[in-house]
Amino acid sequence: NAGVMQNPRHLVRRRGQEARLRCSPMKGHSHVYWYRQLPEEGLKFMVYLQKENIIDESGMPKERFSAEFPKEGPSILRIQQVVRGDSAAYFCASSPVSQLAGTLNEQFFGPGTRLTVL
Amino acid sequence: AQSVAQPEDQVNVAEGNPLTVKCTYSVSGNPYLFWYVQYPNRGLQFLLKYITGDNLVKGSYGFEAEFNKSQTSFHLKKPSALVSDSALYFCAVRDNSGYSTLTFGKGTMLLVSP
Repeated sequence: NAGVMQNPRHLVRRRGQEARLRCSPMKGHSHVYWYRQLPEEGLKFMVYLQKENIIDESGMPKERFSAEFPKEGPSILRIQQVVRGDSAAYFCASSPVSQLAGTLNEQFFGPGTRLTVL
Repeated sequence: AQSVAQPEDQVNVAEGNPLTVKCTYSVSGNPYLFWYVQYPNRGLQFLLKYITGDNLVKGSYGFEAEFNKSQTSFHLKKPSALVSDSALYFCAVRDNSGYSTLTFGKGTMLLVSP
C-alpha cells in the first residue's frame, strides 16, 4: 500500500507566478489535510478537505491560497502570485476517517513539497 | 484554543544513554496527544499516541511517552538512545470536544552522538 504521495518534491517559482502542489492520499483514505512548515517553525494547519468538500479552512491565508479535493484525482493546493514569504515546506496528510469527536485515527504524512520563491 | 510547547530547540545525548524530549500542552477538553518524527527531507512519521487509559504509552522504535494530566505534559522517552534516532521530533495535540485538527509544537532536534 503506497503511502501519501506529493509532487513535485521541489518547486521553484519566481515572484508573481502560480504554484500548484499535488497530494494523493493513501489508498482508502478520503480525508486530506494540508500543513505548512516555515523555517525554524513547526507545522501549521492550513486546510482539511474531504472529497469535493472543504471541511475546515481556518488556517488558510485569506488571499491567493486555495485548495480542492475533487471526486477524481489528487488534492491540489494552489498559490497564486507567489511571494518570497510563501517559501516553505508544504505537507499533505491523509486519514481514513474524519477527525470528529469520538473518532481518532492518526494522520499519515507525505514527504512534502519544498517551495522556493525567487 | 489548543497549543503545544516544546521548550527545547535541541537535545543532545550520547548513544546508549536515556533520552527525554519534553512537551506540554493546553486544550479545553480531554487531550489526544501524538508524537511524530521527521528525518531530513522526509515527511512526518507517526511514533505513538495517547487517547485514554494507561498513562505510559509505548510506540515505534522503542519510544514511549508518559501522559501527566496534572502537569499537562506528554514527554517522549527512550531508555537507550541510538545514533539513528537523531531527527526532528514533533509533539501534537487535539481535543475530543467536537471537530478539531492537530496543533503541532515547533519541534525538538534530537542529536545522538556516538
